[in-house]
Amino acid sequence: SAVISQKPSRDICQRGTSLTIQCQVDSQVTMMFWYRQQPGQSLTLIATANQGSEATYESGFVIDKFPISRPNLTFSTLTVSNMSPEDSSIYLCSVMTGPKNEKLFFGSGTQLSVL
Amino acid sequence: KQEVTQIPAALSVPEGENLVLNCSFTDSAIYNLQWFRQDPGKGLTSLLLIQSSQREQTSGRLNASLDKSSGRSTLYIAASQPGDSATYLCAVFSNDYKLSFGAGTTVTVRA
Repeated sequence: SAVISQKPSRDICQRGTSLTIQCQVDSQVTMMFWYRQQPGQSLTLIATANQGSEATYESGFVIDKFPISRPNLTFSTLTVSNMSPEDSSIYLCSVMTGPKNEKLFFGSGTQLSVL
Repeated sequence: KQEVTQIPAALSVPEGENLVLNCSFTDSAIYNLQWFRQDPGKGLTSLLLIQSSQREQTSGRLNASLDKSSGRSTLYIAASQPGDSATYLCAVFSNDYKLSFGAGTTVTVRA
């Protein structure tokens, strides 16, 4: 299993500012992901955080808006840049682990409200 | 593209009743299927993981079945309690290494 610490748990931000979300895992993991969950919706994958290289972004998400760092196998950050009210969501980091990278674990989430 | 559907979207039952939550998927070429619980404003907690070769998994009051050929999984929660009130999501990990989530079933257990 994996224990994931995600900070902050919630924040209220002003339009035009940026917020950086941190994700710390208690063990080294190869695969780490960032998801967004808009109100009343299911999860949408933002990007896969790759250690030592640029993140792989899904369609509709770009590095300028959601820069991601992954300096090592236990830590990653997601920044939500130049925020607007449409960015109000829950942001979740997750990892896949297990003998065949078959099980998904999630952090506790960051509930972001943009005014 | 894998499509995952969860029915019903919401469910309200009296305490003690058994819960039946459904998850269907369109592409049977899956690696595994995982059920999660999500409390309001929080992250996801893994409940059960079923590998594609398995028919069911059990943990305490929870039992999940998988019928890969028909593209269905069912999560059973026996003798529901108010603490079971949450949103339950299923996630399908396909053979092309894509993970697809259902929209969830929001469960309310009335005391």
